[in-house]
Amino acid sequence: AQKVTQAQTEISVVEKEDVTLDCVYETRDTTYYLFWYKQPPSGELVFLIRRNSFDEQNEISGRYSWNFQKSTSSFNFTITASQVVDSAVYFCALSEVYNQGGKLIFGQGTELSVKP
Amino acid sequence: SQTIHQWPATLVQPVGSPLSLECTVEGTSNPNLYWYRQAAGRGLQLLFYSVGIGQISSEVPQNLSASRPQDRQFILSSKKLLLSDSGFYLCAWSVIGPHRVANTEAFFGQGTRLTVV
Repeated sequence: AQKVTQAQTEISVVEKEDVTLDCVYETRDTTYYLFWYKQPPSGELVFLIRRNSFDEQNEISGRYSWNFQKSTSSFNFTITASQVVDSAVYFCALSEVYNQGGKLIFGQGTELSVKP
Repeated sequence: SQTIHQWPATLVQPVGSPLSLECTVEGTSNPNLYWYRQAAGRGLQLLFYSVGIGQISSEVPQNLSASRPQDRQFILSSKKLLLSDSGFYLCAWSVIGPHRVANTEAFFGQGTRLTVV
């Protein structure tokens, strides 16, 4: 069965600190996709990144970076020099490629609070 | 470009009343459609998904039902609401790539905050 675990329920940092959000997943499939979404206070989920199971290269986008390690089934998300606008709930999600319907399975989310 | 509309944004309904939440997608054809619910604990639970008109798959047994009367319209309903139906309901869409590979992200609507009183 597929499962996504985000063990950190809440994280609080001071602006300009770096912060890493952990994500561990379980799947029996060898082909799958991993995602990160951001949910600001407005509630809408904003897509951040998609990564397939065959691509373990780390990715950097501005202050955001992602570390995918298949050996530990982890897909961690780091925000460098955090800002108040980064405050949100962040979700990690998994989709098995040949699953019917392309449904995403989400973790419980990590609430990040960045204080000025 | 593709857009997703979900309404209403907020809803307060008494216990035992019916429910109808609507979601429509523009700018794409034959999308996969989803209803998620986010309870107070923040986790997103998949309720229903649909791969085509009239095709509904239910993920969890509950007091709710879904229908897809048109290609880009997805409706979440209940005949009699329970207190436990309160939550934040999110509609989403995605597309399936060639050879039925689910290799794309889902895009979400702005959500409906439902309070059952």
